[in-house]
Amino acid sequence: SYELTQPPSVSASPGQTARITCSGDALPNQYVYWYQQKSGRAPELLIYKDNQGPSGIPERFSVSSSGRTVTLTITGVRAEDEADYYCQSSDSSGAYVFGSGTEVIVL
Amino acid sequence: EVQVVESGGGLVQPGGSLRLSCVTSGFSFRRYSMSWVRQAPGKGPEWLSKITSDSSSKTYAGSVTGRFTISRDNARNLLYLQMHSLSPDDTAVYYCARVLYGADVIGLDVWGQGTTVTVSS
Repeated sequence: SYELTQPPSVSASPGQTARITCSGDALPNQYVYWYQQKSGRAPELLIYKDNQGPSGIPERFSVSSSGRTVTLTITGVRAEDEADYYCQSSDSSGAYVFGSGTEVIVL
Repeated sequence: EVQVVESGGGLVQPGGSLRLSCVTSGFSFRRYSMSWVRQAPGKGPEWLSKITSDSSSKTYAGSVTGRFTISRDNARNLLYLQMHSLSPDDTAVYYCARVLYGADVIGLDVWGQGTTVTVSS
């Protein structure tokens, strides 16, 4: 089955930059969606495609891609950004796939 | 306010069945594709199924194909997930989610608070 690979955790001090990668064989041909999930809450759509996202998404979140890897960047990390982050795409059959998830730790 | 609210979860014995419901409000339900996603304790989200706005297409994850059935009632703004042959591996919080509107988009932009399904004897 199709898999999206993310690092288990990423850490950064407040004000620094955190980068979360999502790798998958089909990503050069697929858009990736990113979700933020805080403890005890449902995932929330954060950002996707050409840095599109629901209204109110802070500008410190951005996405970029290179080959089979898509990167979510948090520029100027804040304590409130501590959460789990998941990428999502789809496989060739149209089934949606979530990445393994990355815990962002704010030091 | 755009909202989706799941219900129907609970404790069920292995091999049992359960039907989850999702009531929606604040948006034109009949225009949107909808999905079910679950999350087992301590794990990441697992997408389960998607249904198009007019029910013409239904897609399932391999782990639930043949056991789960997604359906909707556009007149009542309701989404359903019928689950059969449940096993302890199906224990999770089950979320109803709206698919972004538009062509070739698969993001899930509205989520409920989830309903908990526990499969245990």
